Amino acid sequence: QKEVEQNSGPLSVPEGAIASLNCTYSDRGSQSFFWYRQYSGKSPELIMFIYSNGDKEDGRFTAQLNKASQYVSLLIRDSQPSDSATYLCAAFYGQNFVFGPGTRLSVLP
Amino acid sequence: DTAVSQTPKYLVTQMGNDKSIKCEQNLGHDTMYWYKQDSKKFLKIMFSYNNKELIINETVPNRFSPKSPDKAHLNLHINSLELGDSAVYFCASSQEVGQGGYGYTFGSGTRLTVV
Repeated sequence: QKEVEQNSGPLSVPEGAIASLNCTYSDRGSQSFFWYRQYSGKSPELIMFIYSNGDKEDGRFTAQLNKASQYVSLLIRDSQPSDSATYLCAAFYGQNFVFGPGTRLSVLP
Repeated sequence: DTAVSQTPKYLVTQMGNDKSIKCEQNLGHDTMYWYKQDSKKFLKIMFSYNNKELIINETVPNRFSPKSPDKAHLNLHINSLELGDSAVYFCASSQEVGQGGYGYTFGSGTRLTVV
């Protein structure tokens, strides 16, 4: 069974700190991983994706992938209150994405 | 110039009724999806169409029937609505260029409440 797991949180960090969001996946068949942000009452929006082992940086966001450990993470530097949302990790399995339950992040001013 | 549009945004209906949700995308994507997001925020795939052909049909009650008249539209019809059908339904589209391409573009969602 293809599963994606995340700590549901809430994860609370002070403004300006680094927020670290983690995700594990059960099936090694997935080769690509995506992070989405969902504000309350809104639809998910893509933040970034990663295919290769290692780090990928985009502005304040860094995605990290370790295929041997089946582990994906998202780091948000200089966290802002506007980053407060639910972050969904998704693994692509050939025809569709399997989503994790999301981690709720709260950035405190 | 909305990329993926769903209607209606809110739908409140009584048990036993039949209802439809419409979805249209103007991105030229080949693949469209229906996902259900329950109260715990879990997004689960229901159906997927690629160029009007059904390619994914997860374990969903047969009261749910998707219909894709062309590759820009994917509608969802639900018969005999039950209380447990209450959720947010998201339409999405993608243009995969291997390995999931650039991900999904989601519609704004339809909040269905069955009373």
